[in-house]
Amino acid sequence: GAGVSQSPSNKVTEKGKDVELRCDPISGHTALYWYRQSLGQGLEFLIYFQGNSAPDKSGLPSDRFSAERTGGSVSTLTIQRTQQEDSAVYLCASSASVNTEAFFGQGTRLTVV
Amino acid sequence: KNEVEQSPQNLTAQEGEFITINCSYSVGISALHWLQQHPGGGIVSLFMLSSGKKKHGRLIATINIQEKHSSLHITASHPRDSAVYICAVNSRETSGSRLTFGEGTQLTVNP
Repeated sequence: GAGVSQSPSNKVTEKGKDVELRCDPISGHTALYWYRQSLGQGLEFLIYFQGNSAPDKSGLPSDRFSAERTGGSVSTLTIQRTQQEDSAVYLCASSASVNTEAFFGQGTRLTVV
Repeated sequence: KNEVEQSPQNLTAQEGEFITINCSYSVGISALHWLQQHPGGGIVSLFMLSSGKKKHGRLIATINIQEKHSSLHITASHPRDSAVYICAVNSRETSGSRLTFGEGTQLTVNP
């Protein structure tokens, strides 16, 4: 596609449920990032994939969060047993390689009620 | 202390005014980014720079590596420039090219 695509754009879920957020990066981009933006706060790093290397998971806030990237393309961020503090906009970005311009998706707004 | 600090936090200007947003960082970097976020949430990359100055239309970004400081200038500002402007860096102290972000500057340009 022409840009980074995320789905769904909005997700409302009940506390305790699991959710999956999807990111389709720009074709050919080897680097993929997940970031989170909580209400009134800045962006924070969650996880980073680069090619076939092991992902950098150092930003994941708890073991309820996990992500995978299949075939070096599409990525899924999974949050298990969602909590209200998980409510945020989850942004995906991709770049052609390390230290090149990052392109962001429109984000998924997650609301946990 | 945040690794990336922006000022001001909020800025209101009249249409046509020259605008400057500042960014200071405390880590070694390989690149600095200026991003724009509109109310819908989408983020657009405006500039990526590692030295000197870049210009795109009415936007100018400068960086001083020795002083660890960057500025984003908007000339002849327009209400459509109203957005959050975010400074972010690729820190040499973190893996890959993940970004470390400032808190953002909310710009409002009134007609």
